[in-house]
Amino acid sequence: DAGVIQSPRHEVTEMGQEVTLRCKPISGHDYLFWYRQTMMRGLELLIYFNNNVPIDDSGMPEDRFSAKMPNASFSTLKIQPSEPRDSAVYFCASSLRGAGAYTGELFFGEGSRLTVL
Amino acid sequence: ILNVEQSPQSLHVQEGDSTNFTCSFPSSNFYALHWYRWETAKSPEALFVMTLNGDEKKKGRISATLNTKEGYSYLYIKGSQPEDSATYLCAPQNRDDKIIFGKGTRLHILP
Repeated sequence: DAGVIQSPRHEVTEMGQEVTLRCKPISGHDYLFWYRQTMMRGLELLIYFNNNVPIDDSGMPEDRFSAKMPNASFSTLKIQPSEPRDSAVYFCASSLRGAGAYTGELFFGEGSRLTVL
Repeated sequence: ILNVEQSPQSLHVQEGDSTNFTCSFPSSNFYALHWYRWETAKSPEALFVMTLNGDEKKKGRISATLNTKEGYSYLYIKGSQPEDSATYLCAPQNRDDKIIFGKGTRLHILP
């Protein structure tokens, strides 16, 4: 089975440019999470979706950040305009929570490393 | 979920020795506790997900316990091997399915 697929793996851009990161979750999973990893703050939760609906976006740092999940097999995280302090590795993870008491582990993509010059 | 604390931050252990580290989390609105192993240049991979107070899970030489009333979990590694070198992350999940990670314990196994 294919795991969580993220693109691009690496992105170098200049300050002020728009950046779009993409994620394809594991088929059948009903939760999708976006995390940002930095040395200072570790893995920070940005936003998560359940059945394509955003549940909590309180971790999104500023209005420059937005995320969408138009269907069950695709999500985007957009930064516009980008700034040097946005440089980090962005991870997407999906899980199957389903109904009832089952609690699913997170399956992570390989991450998108963003460098903003 | 606030204040997920993991200790120690970093740990050096001789090969063959056993070790353990701690995750503490707020016990209110708790639903589950996740443990992940994160090797350099890879992505985090799940070790355990625990929900019940007193739960204990084991996978090979690695085991974990959970105390939901006081808000802590221990991860144990028995007979450390070089391949155990990694960062170990804990992540409490609340009843809204929000999953927040601690900063991890970085484990180095010395040959």
